[in-house]
Amino acid sequence: QKEVEQNSGPLSVPEGAIASLNCTYSDRGSQSFFWYRQYSGKSPELIMFIYSNGDKEDGRFTAQLNKASQYVSLLIRDSQPSDSATYLCATDSGNTPLVFGKGTRLSVIA
Amino acid sequence: SQTIHQWPATLVQPVGSPLSLECTVEGTSNPNLYWYRQAAGRGLQLLFYSVGIGQISSEVPQNLSASRPQDRQFILSSKKLLLSDSGFYLCAWGTGTVGNSPLHFGNGTRLTVT
Repeated sequence: QKEVEQNSGPLSVPEGAIASLNCTYSDRGSQSFFWYRQYSGKSPELIMFIYSNGDKEDGRFTAQLNKASQYVSLLIRDSQPSDSATYLCATDSGNTPLVFGKGTRLSVIA
Repeated sequence: SQTIHQWPATLVQPVGSPLSLECTVEGTSNPNLYWYRQAAGRGLQLLFYSVGIGQISSEVPQNLSASRPQDRQFILSSKKLLLSDSGFYLCAWGTGTVGNSPLHFGNGTRLTVT
């Protein structure tokens, strides 16, 4: 059973700070990693994805992947109150559909 | 651009009643289609996925079923709803190899079984 683990939070950060969201996964064969943002009562929306070890930056967001440690993270720089949401980590292994973590609730305090 | 439509947005149904949720995708051909369910306080649970017309893979064999009568149409059904079927139902589409490409979700259907 493939598992994706996330701290449920809430993670509280002050406005303007860096928010760090972490995710671990159980299947060493996982190749693709995705971060989604889900506002309360809404559907998940894709933020970014990463396939290779290292960092990938997109605006205020940076995804970090360490396959040896089976660890993927999302950094949000200059956090804004509008970033307050639940962040879902998802991964796969080969030709299987994505497995999602339960999400980390982020609260950015103005 | 691609869009995904899912309806209805909310639904309240009594126990034992039938269910039909529909999802359609525009702007892409031969998408992979998915049904996920998100129960309160729980993560996204994959229910069904389809890589083509008439091809359905079931991850959770319960009282739910899925069908794909057309390339860009995916339907989730039940003959008799249970209380435990309450949740947020999400249809999603993707392209390429299952799992290697991102999923894009519809707005979801919030189902309450009473």
